[in-house]
Amino acid sequence: EVQLVESGGGLVQPGGSLRLSCAASGFTFSSYSMNWVRQAPGKGLEWVSYISSSSTTIFYADSVKGRFTISRDNAKNSLYLQMNSLRDEDTAVYYCARDSRIVAAGRYYYGMDVWGQGTTVTVSS
Amino acid sequence: DIQMTQSPSSLSASVGGRVTITCRASQSISIYLNWYQQKPGKAPKLLIYAASSLQSGVPSRFSGSGSGTDFTLTISSLQPEDFATYYCQQTFSTLYTFGQGTKLEIK
Repeated sequence: EVQLVESGGGLVQPGGSLRLSCAASGFTFSSYSMNWVRQAPGKGLEWVSYISSSSTTIFYADSVKGRFTISRDNAKNSLYLQMNSLRDEDTAVYYCARDSRIVAAGRYYYGMDVWGQGTTVTVSS
Repeated sequence: DIQMTQSPSSLSASVGGRVTITCRASQSISIYLNWYQQKPGKAPKLLIYAASSLQSGVPSRFSGSGSGTDFTLTISSLQPEDFATYYCQQTFSTLYTFGQGTKLEIK
């Protein structure tokens, strides 16, 4: 079964740090780019970060650039998100999601076709 | 960044009915547009990619259309399990962005 399982969430004070993990199984993890997406309580989805299959390409949303670091260990089938200088507005459920390349009409398109169940991060004093 | 704007923010409809949700991009994104469904307490689910291609396993009552800046998601013959929140997402830019969501409720 194709599966993503996040862990590492919890309660942290403003200015603190937290490291999220995402364990992949049931597919060849090293062949896929991955994303982190978050959802604040009662709000919509916000894309956070992207990492290519070999870690050569990384992108961040402006809201987390300079504070968050995405990484992966293909030998361990794992994705990570190191979150530093946390703020109240970082409170959210954090999902990892597989970035699949899909062929349509002879071109490549991208969609997040596998998601984890999410891990909750609460930033509060 | 490319901004994605959905309308309406919420709507109500009856089982068996038909609804259309609109998504507008702040610049042309060709057909690099996906739709997701999310139910309360659950992770999102990919419904449509490349604006109009149905993800494997998604019922044919879901359809998407559009290109450039204007896109639509249509759900025909609404089923009880379709009442959820729907999000569009652009992947034209490497900084992916989602719309703010459209909550579909039972009338």
